[in-house]
Amino acid sequence: QSVLTQPPSASGTPGQRVTISCSGSSSNIGSNIVNWYQKLPGMAPKLLIYSNNQRPSGVPDRFSGSKSGTSASLAISGLQSEDEADYYCATWDDSPNDHVVFGGGTKLTVL
Amino acid sequence: EVRLVESGGGWVQPGGSLRLSCAASGFSFEDFAMHWVRQDPGGGLEWVSAINWNSGNLGYADSVKGRFTISRDNARNSLYLQMSSLTTEDTALYYCVKDGSGWPHYLDFWGQGMPVTVTS
Repeated sequence: QSVLTQPPSASGTPGQRVTISCSGSSSNIGSNIVNWYQKLPGMAPKLLIYSNNQRPSGVPDRFSGSKSGTSASLAISGLQSEDEADYYCATWDDSPNDHVVFGGGTKLTVL
Repeated sequence: EVRLVESGGGWVQPGGSLRLSCAASGFSFEDFAMHWVRQDPGGGLEWVSAINWNSGNLGYADSVKGRFTISRDNARNSLYLQMSSLTTEDTALYYCVKDGSGWPHYLDFWGQGMPVTVTS
């Protein structure tokens, strides 16, 4: 059971906008930055969004992140077939001692 | 180009030990915190440990505290994870991960991973 809650699956058609949610608590999302990772099959996870809404260089602006209270969201606009992957949210948890926690992952299918 | 190459994984019996290494290149290793993260056979990600730039700040997941030790050698651009008293629950793909800053902040760049299998 993951500390952060994500929907196990999401889907959309090419060109569509999809959002993936990540729910936590006051000791994690509520008091720390949220980061998002994309994991393609057989590949290492790749940083997609850091500090809630910042994109590393090279990440298309179709990807955006937001945070409100104890929840965060990843939005993907103009969905493309290559976006089909697993997406994970992560943040620090302050209780009882600092450690990183992950969501269970959301498998995005492009129909 | 940032590169992180893990080594030292493999098969080990329960109760045994293994030492993972991570060779870093393409960035100023001594300026960044580093992490170990593992992915279990079911696909879930679990943070294992972190070390800041000068080894002055170490952190461990409760599941490995007292059994695993993280360390680094800035002169050799290398990160290590000494694992002991291994159980089948430690079977996973272990990733070496570069942080975005000198103190543990966020997981930035990931290596390709090294499998560790604990089985009798």
